[in-house]
Amino acid sequence: EPEVTQTPSHQVTQMGQEVILRCVPISNHLYFYWYRQILGQKVEFLVSFYNNEISEKSEIFDDQFSVERPDGSNFTLKIRSTKLEDSAMYFCASDQIGGNEQFFGPGTRLTVL
Amino acid sequence: AQSVTQPDIHITVSEGASLELRCNYSYGATPYLFWYVQSPGQGLQLLLKYFSGDTLVQGIKGFEAEFKRSQSSFNLRKPSVHWSDAAEYFCAVVPTGSGGGADGLTFGKGTHLIIQP
Repeated sequence: EPEVTQTPSHQVTQMGQEVILRCVPISNHLYFYWYRQILGQKVEFLVSFYNNEISEKSEIFDDQFSVERPDGSNFTLKIRSTKLEDSAMYFCASDQIGGNEQFFGPGTRLTVL
Repeated sequence: AQSVTQPDIHITVSEGASLELRCNYSYGATPYLFWYVQSPGQGLQLLLKYFSGDTLVQGIKGFEAEFKRSQSSFNLRKPSVHWSDAAEYFCAVVPTGSGGGADGLTFGKGTHLIIQP
């Protein structure tokens, strides 16, 4: 069964450093998403991406965040200058157009020291 | 703005007993409704979804959910829980007619299910 994959599973970084989280969505899906879950809290929507551009973003997705689909398979989330409060689990999801069913990856746990 | 409320932070159920997890939503129109499960250290797995039609929907792992428009609720049920059902359960909504589109899911805060032997 096709699945969304994410790398790395755990990323540790120093405050102020840039990180790139990687996702490989399901191959025939066209909509891509990033969510985050701070420890013990609910899952929060960050951004959606379609046709090589951002479709929607939440207020969390400020200028320090960016997304990119650098090739036909990867979908990345970049955090330019990490802060302590960026420590969270980051989930990638993808959706087939018209499907209304987002498939989630296993997540990347980001720890900012 | 839409919101999802899961009033129970923790629920403890004996193995073999029935389960009901509550979810209420606040939205201008009936959204699409979902239940996801998250096992420790794992990602989110879709249990079931409601778009329209029959208000009782069946999902994976023996779960079902009932949509009640009058109560703006979408409660998850299982007639007999197993120890492997211990996990975090999230209710989520997305605006109607997204068409697989760009809207992000709005999640509730989750209910942590504990199974007693």
